Amino acid sequence: SYVLTQPPSVSVAPGQTARITCGGNNIGSKSVHWYQQKPGQAPVLVVYDDSDRPSGIPERFSGSNSGNTATLTISRVEAGDEADYYCQVWDSSSDQVVFGGGTKLTVL
Amino acid sequence: QVTLKESGPVLVKPTETLTLTCTVSGFSLSNARMGVSWIRQPPGKALEWLAHIFSNDEKSYSTSLKSRLTISKDTSKSQVVLTMTNMDPVDTATYYCARRSNEPTKPFDYWGQGTLVTVSS
Repeated sequence: SYVLTQPPSVSVAPGQTARITCGGNNIGSKSVHWYQQKPGQAPVLVVYDDSDRPSGIPERFSGSNSGNTATLTISRVEAGDEADYYCQVWDSSSDQVVFGGGTKLTVL
Repeated sequence: QVTLKESGPVLVKPTETLTLTCTVSGFSLSNARMGVSWIRQPPGKALEWLAHIFSNDEKSYSTSLKSRLTISKDTSKSQVVLTMTNMDPVDTATYYCARRSNEPTKPFDYWGQGTLVTVSS
């Protein structure tokens, strides 16, 4: 089965740039989506199709995907960005939706 | 606007069957481009996809849970129903329904608020 690997935690100071990675075998050939989840709330889509942003999501959120790693980048991090972030793909070989294990972003 | 809302029991006993309902608004379940998935999240753990129903009534299931899951829909009621048999305490989780295009590479763009189901005797 296809596995997505995320670091359990990432810490960053306010105003700095946070990068959250999502590793998977040849993930660059797949469309990667990223969700933000704050405590007690449902996930919210923040980046889709590797690098597109839904309406209402700040330009500070961006994504890239190449080779075996996809990356969610949050520029000029704010305290309100503190949350869990999940990557997600669809694995065509198994017809399975796959989520990463999630990364907790802490704003110092 | 698009909304999804989950409903069902808060507590189920081990071995019982869980039935959850997702009531949608702002889009039609007969829309040729849209479907609905169920996704769960045990307390403090990651998201896990369970099942998806397409607008043409085709279904797709998690390989690891397929034998226990059934997804269906009632278009006239704008509802998607998930049943999970033989519940176990490890199935304690918040269960979400979410909208996705029929194109499986696309993301879940709208989510329900989730419903917490506890499995305990």
